[in-house]
Amino acid sequence: AQSVSQHNHHVILSEAASLELGCNYSYGGTVNLFWYVQYPGQHLQLLLKYFSGDPLVKGIKGFEAEFIKSKFSFNLRKPSVQWSDTAEYFCAVKGGGADGLTFGKGTHLIIQP
Amino acid sequence: GAVVSQHPSWVICKSGTSVKIECRSLDFQATTMFWYRQFPKQSLMLMATSNEGSKATYEQGVEKDKFLINHASLTLSTLTVTSAHPEDSSFYICSASAPGAGTLSYNEQFFGPGTRLTVL
Repeated sequence: AQSVSQHNHHVILSEAASLELGCNYSYGGTVNLFWYVQYPGQHLQLLLKYFSGDPLVKGIKGFEAEFIKSKFSFNLRKPSVQWSDTAEYFCAVKGGGADGLTFGKGTHLIIQP
Repeated sequence: GAVVSQHPSWVICKSGTSVKIECRSLDFQATTMFWYRQFPKQSLMLMATSNEGSKATYEQGVEKDKFLINHASLTLSTLTVTSAHPEDSSFYICSASAPGAGTLSYNEQFFGPGTRLTVL
């Protein structure tokens, strides 16, 4: 079974700072990787996903993530955060033929104006 | 497009009663729906996967007789928590997917807003 580990449970940054949220997964087969965001009081929304091809994927709102197979990692990055990026961020993996997603515990990001 | 709704958004019930939560895909037909559970400050945990017209597939450790899932149509799945107890209090989130739904080429999952269940 696959598992997902997010290193940081809480991150506090100032506006314009650069962001990197760590995500590692454990699964030996082919995986699909996702980052979801949940703004306060809202649904989970897909930020970006990796299935195959270019390991550097770009998502919405200026986010990107890099899949490093040798490190089993899929870290999320944004060069300059905004106050509106305050939210909960979840890394998720889909693999092994299962349809459901395995989520990490989430990272609560707070951006200070 | 690709909107998923849940009803109710929150519910409080007495211990021993049953509660039904609805998950609807509003603008697409969902061949597969998923039910997740989220405890405070924890991750979403997949409970079960349901395909329209078929019995749901439950994850290990999830009691199928306690969490009854019905996916009778392509736009509606229901989760019934039977004989609810305080330990069933949680945030229940559904998602729905279908080939071609949304702007992506794979079966992207679209999430509902969740239902907060509190069992007294």
